[in-house]
This record gives sequence, C-alpha cells and structure tokens, in this order.
Amino acid sequence: QVQLQESGPGLVEPSETLSLTCTVSGYSISSDFYWGWVRQPPGKGLEWIASIYESGRNYYNPSLDSRVTISVDTSKNQFSLKMTSVTATDTAIYYCARHLYSEPLDYWGQGALVTVSS
Amino acid sequence: QSVLTQPLSASGTPGQTVTIPCSGSSSNIGSNFVYWYQQFPGTAPKLLIYKNNQWPSGIPDRFSGSKSGTSASLAISGLRSEDEADYHCAAWDDGLSGVVFGGGTKLTVL
Repeated sequence: QVQLQESGPGLVEPSETLSLTCTVSGYSISSDFYWGWVRQPPGKGLEWIASIYESGRNYYNPSLDSRVTISVDTSKNQFSLKMTSVTATDTAIYYCARHLYSEPLDYWGQGALVTVSS
Repeated sequence: QSVLTQPLSASGTPGQTVTIPCSGSSSNIGSNFVYWYQQFPGTAPKLLIYKNNQWPSGIPDRFSGSKSGTSASLAISGLRSEDEADYHCAAWDDGLSGVVFGGGTKLTVL
C-alpha cells in the first residue's frame, strides 16, 4: 500500500522560505510515477504546485514557478518542496501525491497545514 | 479562478441521482483523462473515479464518471447522507504541462 507523509514547519514568517518533505513508503520513488505537491487554502479549491520524476525532470505551475523548487532524494525515498518569499496568501494545507505523466494524482498524503504569519 | 469549471454547490434527497458537471477546454478535458475526488472536511481528497470512468478498489458503483468533448460529469445514484462532501474534478493540461482542478462542488444531502 502506497503511503505518503508530509513533514515540515507549520508556521513560517512572511518573506521567509517554506520547506516541506514528503516521505513515501510502500512504493519505490524510483518508478514510473511522478511525485507532486498540491495546496488548498482554507475554504478554497485545490491548486497544483509542481511535480518531479525520479530522474529529476520537473514541471512547475507557471503562477508559482519563480518561487518554487521541487527536488527528489531517491536514497531516502523522499521528495521536497521549497517556496521562497512567502506571504499570507501562501497559507494552506499542502499535500504531496503521486501521479502518472499526463494524468492527475492517485495516492495523496494526509496534508500539512502551513500558516504564514509573524 | 480555477481552470476547470464546476458549480459551487449541488443538492439532492436520499435515493436520488445527482450529477456534478465539470467543464474544461481542448487542452485539458478534451485531450486527457478526467479524475474525480471526494473530500470530507479536514481530510485529504480521496480518488473516486480515474481515467474518466474507472473505479479504484473499494469505490461503490453508485459513483460513475463520464466524458464528452471538453466536459465531464460525476453521477451519484442512490444518494446517501454519507455522500455529503466536496467533489473535485481534475485533468492534465497540455498547455500548462501540469494538473488543473475544478473549484470543487459542495454536495448537500437534504
């Protein structure tokens, strides 16, 4: 059974960098799947942020491209997200998930609430 | 502003069939698979339908998906109180090279 678990600080100060890690268990990250991040602001819809393949090939949402970096560590079966210069509008539940290329996500983590506030 | 368009809300009575539409364009729904998710408050989205009309293991066939052109829909038959949740559609977008979502539809069982 594939399981994904997000981890990282729940509170980030404005203008700082948000960092999250997703640990995958029950499945090798070095497979035919992409691994991605999705966020959901309180009371709002879902927004795809970025995805990465085990080779390092990645895709970013153009609306966030300039502030986001996604990376993968196959030795730890983990992938990570960094978002710079955060503001209150980046407050959201951040989910990590798995997907095939050109298809949406199937397995999701439980989500991690990140609040941007001083 | 979501790329895919869903109604904000939908409702039905127990036993009824409710349909939730999802509208897109040629770069997403028109050329790629549609997925549907069910989300209860405080929990992660759960895959309900994949590849337009396929069920993951454990999903009852009361939930069904369909696609025609640049639109898709989720039908829930034999509506139950426990179906009250938010429903999201999603598809890959070739122009974006990424996943796009609908804004989500809140289903109320009256």
